[in-house]
Amino acid sequence: DTGVSQNPRHKITKRGQNVTFRCDPISEHNRLYWYRQTLGQGPEFLTYFQNEAQLEKSRLLSDRFSAERPKGSFSTLEIQRTEQGDSAMYLCASSSRGRGELFFGEGSRLTVL
Amino acid sequence: GNSVTQMEGPVTLSEEAFLTINCTYTATGYPSLFWYVQYPGEGLQLLLKATKADDKGSNKGFEATYRKETTSFHLEKGSVQVSDSAVYFCALTFNQAGTALIFGKGTTLSVSS
Repeated sequence: DTGVSQNPRHKITKRGQNVTFRCDPISEHNRLYWYRQTLGQGPEFLTYFQNEAQLEKSRLLSDRFSAERPKGSFSTLEIQRTEQGDSAMYLCASSSRGRGELFFGEGSRLTVL
Repeated sequence: GNSVTQMEGPVTLSEEAFLTINCTYTATGYPSLFWYVQYPGEGLQLLLKATKADDKGSNKGFEATYRKETTSFHLEKGSVQVSDSAVYFCALTFNQAGTALIFGKGTTLSVSS
């Protein structure tokens, strides 16, 4: 069990550029979640996959955001035409148990200049 | 809507002091309740959980009791250590499709020797 791995750990980009984050979940976990966390706030749910199917999407996930989980293994979160308001920590979590028992990665911090 | 409210921090204690971090929730129905902890430089980790009223979750000397009548899930520890310094998040979810883990804003605990 190597834990949930996220890359890159920190991304600095200019407004209007596209960025992509990758998450490698714990290998036997079929559920994968993306959250966003800003300073002083708790994590906010973005989207949820069970295997390769994206089953839930938050209203926070605008049309500039897209997430995939091909083959039900790793997942990517892409943000197109980044805005300064997208600056945040993007957290990935995986689970094989109940909905609240998640294993989180260390996050990918996005800074949009 | 569903939400979680935590006491604001930071909470500063001396080693071996008693800890209480208050958490109350608003929910339509009977959620499962969780405490997550984030140590410096690490990802969020599940600390304890309770799935129904009057359940007590416990782990690493921490305890929390699910109180339906007061809609609370306060975190307690009898004697804190420096190594307990972290950010603590209270969270809830429902075990049904269409719901996600909802977090409070987090409470920072700092323990000095």
